[in-house]
Order: sequence, then structure tokens, then C-alpha cells
Amino acid sequence: DTGVSQDPRHKITKRGQNVTFRCDPISEHNRLYWYRQTLGQGPEFLTYFQNEAQLEKSRLLSDRFSAERPKGSFSTLEIQRTEQGDSAMYLCASSQREASTDTQYFGPGTRLTVL
Amino acid sequence: AQSVTQPDIHITVSEGASLELRCNYSYGATPYLFWYVQSPGQGLQLLLKYFSGDTLVQGIKGFEAEFKRSQSSFNLRKPSVHWSDAAEYFCAVGASAAGNKLTFGGGTRVLVKP
Repeated sequence: DTGVSQDPRHKITKRGQNVTFRCDPISEHNRLYWYRQTLGQGPEFLTYFQNEAQLEKSRLLSDRFSAERPKGSFSTLEIQRTEQGDSAMYLCASSQREASTDTQYFGPGTRLTVL
Repeated sequence: AQSVTQPDIHITVSEGASLELRCNYSYGATPYLFWYVQSPGQGLQLLLKYFSGDTLVQGIKGFEAEFKRSQSSFNLRKPSVHWSDAAEYFCAVGASAAGNKLTFGGGTRVLVKP
């Protein structure tokens, strides 16, 4: 068990560019979550997948954001036409759906800076 | 809608002293509660969780938390703080035990004085 991994760890981009982040969950975890954390705040939920199905999206996830989990393993989060307000830490978490518990394990995050 | 409040933004504690971090939640049904710790620039590490049963929960690194339904609280405690405990601590509530999004509080930053 190598834990949740995210790539890249840091991304600096110019306003208007597109960026894509990748998350590899703990192997065999069937649930995958994306959160966004701005400076000095707690993480905020963006979206989650069970296997390849995207089951819930937050209203925070504007039309410029899209997430996929094509084979039910890794996931990507794309932000199109980035804005300075998108600067944040993007956290991925995974969990294994069990009968009575669901504990999310987080990756190290991708810190995005939009200039 | 669920919500979490951590009233203390910063806490400074001397090494070896006890620590208590407050967490109050709002949720209409049975809450599923978590404490995570985050070191600078890092992701979140799970300290402990409460789903049901004994209201005093033991976690890693010597932490414990007590669920008090009457007070809608889930406070985190440690009897003797180590310098390595300096970090930010987040309380979170889940909509159900079987998954779904977590709602986090704003966090409490803990500073440890030598």
C-alpha cells in the first residue's frame, strides 16, 4: 500500500491556461474524492467517484472544471481558462466502500498558483 | 446542511502540556466525525474517527476525542504535547458512514513552545 499519490505537486501557470492534475488512489479503493483548500481554510468538497461513475459535484465545480475517472482507477481534474481565484491546494482522497465505514485517505495535494 | 466550527484559529501550548482542540458540528442525523492533521505543505493524515459505539475514541500519536451528542461536540485531546505536534488540525463531519463528502472546519493551528 503506497498511499494516495498526486502529480504534479506544484504547478505554476498563467491566467487563461489549462491545467490537468492526476490522482492515483490506494489500489482497490473504489471511491475517489477531490477537494480544494485555499490558504487558511479547511478543504472544500468538489466531486467524487465510485468506480468510474461521478456521483456528486459541488456547486463550486464551475463549467471550467472537469473530472474524470475513466477506468475506475486514477482520476484527472482539469481546469480550463484558469483564473487567479483558482489558486489553491487541490487534494485527492480515496476510500474503500465497506458495509458500515468509509474512511478517506488523502494524498499530498497539488498546489496551483495562477499568475 | 452539515457544518463544522472550530472556534480556535490558533493555540499555543508548551511542550509537555496538555492540549484540547474544540470542534462543534451541526448535522440533523447521526454524525460521522473525523480529526485530521496537516503539516505545512502536506496532505491530511487521519488521527481518529467516530462512527458509533464508545464515545471516547483513541487515535494515533496519543490523541483521543470524545463525542458528546448533547453538546454537538467532538473535542480532540492529548495529555502531553510534543514539538512534532505543531501542525494544523481539522475536524470533519461526514454525511454517512458509507461514504460521501466530508465537511471540514476552518482548522486550528497549534504552535508548540519549547
